[in-house]
Amino acid sequence: NAGVTQTPKFQVLKTGQSMTLQCAQDMNHEYMSWYRQDPGMGLRLIHYSVGAGITDQGEVPNGYNVSRSTTEDFPLRLLSAAPSQTSVYFCASSRRGVDEQYFGPGTRLTVT
Amino acid sequence: AQSVTQPDIHITVSEGASLELRCNYSYGATPYLFWYVQSPGQGLQLLLKYFSGDTLVQGIKGFEAEFKRSQSSFNLRKPSVHWSDAAEYFCAVGEGRRGTGNQFYFGTGTSLTVIP
Repeated sequence: NAGVTQTPKFQVLKTGQSMTLQCAQDMNHEYMSWYRQDPGMGLRLIHYSVGAGITDQGEVPNGYNVSRSTTEDFPLRLLSAAPSQTSVYFCASSRRGVDEQYFGPGTRLTVT
Repeated sequence: AQSVTQPDIHITVSEGASLELRCNYSYGATPYLFWYVQSPGQGLQLLLKYFSGDTLVQGIKGFEAEFKRSQSSFNLRKPSVHWSDAAEYFCAVGEGRRGTGNQFYFGTGTSLTVIP
């Protein structure tokens, strides 16, 4: 099993550009989530999904969209990138809601 | 909203010394509690979790944590630290939401340095 994979590993965007961060898991997990990690802030939940077709907002959803068309994939879309979105983004999955989460290796995003 | 506090931003210990990392949470019901470790440039890995039952839980790499409801704490301990334990440690609380799923709240992390 590959576990949770994320692409790309690094990305530089200009303000106003859009992009999609990819996340996939091969463990047939129901629950998937996106976090951003900023210095001194820990991890903050952006969006999460409890199954295909079901998504919900986390703590810091503004500026991000998600969809969950399959169990395996959970992409995160930045609609119009802003410097405040410079961060490291982690995708995670778990078998069910409140359970051990498996994290991807992260995507380091810089917005100039 | 729930919250998780890790009061120690950075801790330095000597190799072989004991370690305790503090975690306090704010949550109305019985929480689901986790400790994760993050090595530089890596994702997070679960060390241990508490859902119910015995309040002292054992994890991987020789770590343990104790849930104390009266103190709203879930401190992580290790009797003898190894140089390879140098990393960032995160405490997290899971909140179950009926109908829509669950959310997790992470502390800001404690960075551990181990000196030989």
